[in-house]
Parts: sequence; C-alpha cells; structure tokens
Amino acid sequence: AQRVTQPEKLLSVFKGAPVELKCNYSYSGSPELFWYVQYSRQRLQLLLRHISRESIKGFTADLNKGETSFHLKKPFAQEEDSAMYYCALSGTGGYNKLIFGAGTRLAVHP
Amino acid sequence: GAVVSQHPSRVICKSGTSVKIECRSLDFQATTMFWYRQFPKQSLMLMATSNEGSKATYEQGVEKDKFLINHASLTLSTLTVTSAHPEDSSFYICSAPAGQLANYGYTFGSGTRLTVV
Repeated sequence: AQRVTQPEKLLSVFKGAPVELKCNYSYSGSPELFWYVQYSRQRLQLLLRHISRESIKGFTADLNKGETSFHLKKPFAQEEDSAMYYCALSGTGGYNKLIFGAGTRLAVHP
Repeated sequence: GAVVSQHPSRVICKSGTSVKIECRSLDFQATTMFWYRQFPKQSLMLMATSNEGSKATYEQGVEKDKFLINHASLTLSTLTVTSAHPEDSSFYICSAPAGQLANYGYTFGSGTRLTVV
C-alpha cells in the first residue's frame, strides 16, 4: 500500500532550537519524495524534493531507503518557519499523483 | 514560475444546487490537473486526476456523477459539485505539474472553501 506517515501533529520549539519533522513512507518501488509547506493563509508550496538534494530556507531532507524515511531538518528554527508541513510521495515517470501525509504543524516560539 | 489560479476562493450555496470551481494555469500548459479535498485539520485527499481531452480518473470512493470534472483545454480544468449537500462542505484544491517531469513538484491553487447550507 502507498502511504505517508507523519507521526507528529504538532511540533513546538523555541527559536534557535533544532527541528526535525518526521516522515516515513510505504511504497512498492522507488518513489519521488517531497516536502510541501503551507504558511498561514497561503497556498501549499513546494519546499524541497529529494531528487535535487537541495537546502531551502535552511531545511534539508535526506532520503533513507533502508528506513523508508524522509525526515525534514533544520539546525536553528526561526519564527517565520511556523507553518504546516506536509510530506508527500509520487511514483516515478510521468505525472503521477501525490500522496500526502497528515501534516505536522510547526510552531516556533520566541 | 508556474501559477495556478483557482476561483472562487469561497462559495456558499444551498443544498441541491451545483457549484463550479475553476482552475487555470496562467503561464504554462497543464495537460494534467489533480483535484484534492481537505477536511479541517486533515490532510489533502486526492479525488481525481483530469487530463486534457479525455475522461478524468477518479479515486476509489469518489462519486463520478457528483463531482464532474472537465478539462477541455490545456489551461482550464473545472470541478462541478452537483446537487450539493452539507457533507460536501470542504476545502477543494487543484494542482498541476510545475515542470516537464513530475519530480519538479506540483503547483497548487489557492483553494476553494465550499459551504453548503
């Protein structure tokens, strides 16, 4: 079964603290993994994708095929990072549908 | 960048009426459009995939006759909620591939909040 699991509904940290948003997936094959972010009153937008191995706004995510995980990390959280974060996967090749996790709300306190 | 414009952003309708939601790709051609539904404090659930010039593919459990999808052009896809009932009240979001390959990610519309009274 294709599934994305984000175990934490809410992650609350203080400014400057490290952040790790967990994401585990189940997929038969080699999926494409993404992190999407939704700031307050804004549309969902792509944060980063595993294939590009990039760092966006200080966030990184490493695909661990052995553990089927794609955790999102940032060494020092900022208040503007407060948002809803969704982990998602799709199949490879063509325009495949995205399967979303339940989302984790990150709250960064001053 | 690739932008999807979704309208209306908010609509209130009476039970039994139909509501049409439009999604337009503004600066690119969207041969594929995905339609999602999001309940409060829940994740996005894929309803259907529309492809320009062909019939939409619906996810299991989604009523085709209730949620009519039309993708008549490369820049416009519409979702019509027919004979709406209060349980259809939800947040509907469209999405299209942002690049030539799926791994470029997808761009999302701003969503439509439907309230059926």
